[in-house]
Amino acid sequence: DGGITQSPKYLFRKEGQNVTLSCEQNLNHDAMYWYRQDPGQGLRLIYYSQIVNDFQKGDIAEGYSVSREKKESFPLTVTSAQKNPTAFYLCASSIVQGSYEQYFGPGTRLTVT
Amino acid sequence: AQKITQTQPGMFVQEKEAVTLDCTYDTSDPSYGLFWYKQPSSGEMIFLIYQGSYDQQNATEGRYSLNFQKARKSANLVISASQLGDSAMYFCAMRGRYSGGYQKVTFGTGTKLQVIP
Repeated sequence: DGGITQSPKYLFRKEGQNVTLSCEQNLNHDAMYWYRQDPGQGLRLIYYSQIVNDFQKGDIAEGYSVSREKKESFPLTVTSAQKNPTAFYLCASSIVQGSYEQYFGPGTRLTVT
Repeated sequence: AQKITQTQPGMFVQEKEAVTLDCTYDTSDPSYGLFWYKQPSSGEMIFLIYQGSYDQQNATEGRYSLNFQKARKSANLVISASQLGDSAMYFCAMRGRYSGGYQKVTFGTGTKLQVIP
């Protein structure tokens, strides 16, 4: 079955630690995205990548970093510089033509204390 | 800049009735796309329906239809014959041009729909 996997589903970290969220897709999509969702709010774009070894900052990139070494993988690192890291993180992928319909993973709920 | 507005934070509908979720958008691009996604309590975003800005007819997918009124910049979602499983958050989103020519999707703040038996 094709799809997007994110692991783990729940993640707990102490303040000041960096943490990496994984995102893998087997849909053969060129584009991948990371979003952040806070309670009662919509999704905000953190980073996106349309090709291997290239990525662009979204609207709220400060305190986050990404890499795109393989087409299938787009890990997100939440650094200690991110002031309010506790949130729900969603990864998505899409083709880069037509509707650009995005397929989403199940998400990772990160709690930093 | 592109913007999506959903003015209904929450709505109730009786089972088997139809319901309309409102969405208005703003963009200066002539080419754009509009989506609706469903987010159950599990958190995963589920694609429901898509409308391109040049599509002449309103999109339909099963019980979902998108009432696209281009001049009014609205893209309301109509769910017919509501079911208990339709209870979820619903997000309207728009695809448009971003910096560097990339395409970006902007999401609204969502409407929480609750279906009453």
